[in-house]
Amino acid sequence: GQQLNQSPQSMFIQEGEDVSMNCTSSSIFNTWLWYKQDPGEGPVLLIALYKAGELTSNGRLTAQFGITRKDSFLNISASIPSDVGIYFCAGLTNNAGNMLTFGGGTRLMVKP
Amino acid sequence: EADIYQTPRYLVIGTGKKITLECSQTMGHDKMYWYQQDPGMELHLIHYSYGVNSTEKGDLSSESTVSRIRTEHFPLTLESARPSHTSQYLCATRRAGVAGELFFGEGSRLTVL
Repeated sequence: GQQLNQSPQSMFIQEGEDVSMNCTSSSIFNTWLWYKQDPGEGPVLLIALYKAGELTSNGRLTAQFGITRKDSFLNISASIPSDVGIYFCAGLTNNAGNMLTFGGGTRLMVKP
Repeated sequence: EADIYQTPRYLVIGTGKKITLECSQTMGHDKMYWYQQDPGMELHLIHYSYGVNSTEKGDLSSESTVSRIRTEHFPLTLESARPSHTSQYLCATRRAGVAGELFFGEGSRLTVL
């Protein structure tokens, strides 16, 4: 089946630093989404991307839909302690009944 | 924004017990999903529904079953729980016509002893 490779798997960053994570696949996706999951909670949608090359921001978060449609990245600027959590990318194709495929997650840990 | 409620949030039970995890939503979304997630790991789709009386199995084989008698409810049942069922179970909904944007509940963390 389709697989999304998300990297890095985890990272420690200093408060105030910028963060970058990405998601790649051998398959083409028509939609890319980024979710964040806080401990003990369900994932929450951060950004949705619907067009190749699209660059979308949500506050300090910026995500891009890769031109090849096989990758996406998420940047967080000026990180703060509440950015801690697991960030999941997800891809959607028009095949397979419009089911999302999730990446393995990037665990973000911030040093105060 | 969808309101999705999962109960129980936490459950510890013995092997062989029958359990039902409840999921309710108040937004009238047709599509509902159950994901299984080990702590900090990726989400695996185990069941989904396109609407009332529609249920399908997901990518990950699961011994659980689901039902969709009403739009608002999508309960998941394990007839005989085993330690291998220990995991977090996340319910989600999606609006019709909106690709990919899932709204998740807070999850039910199940521990089978």
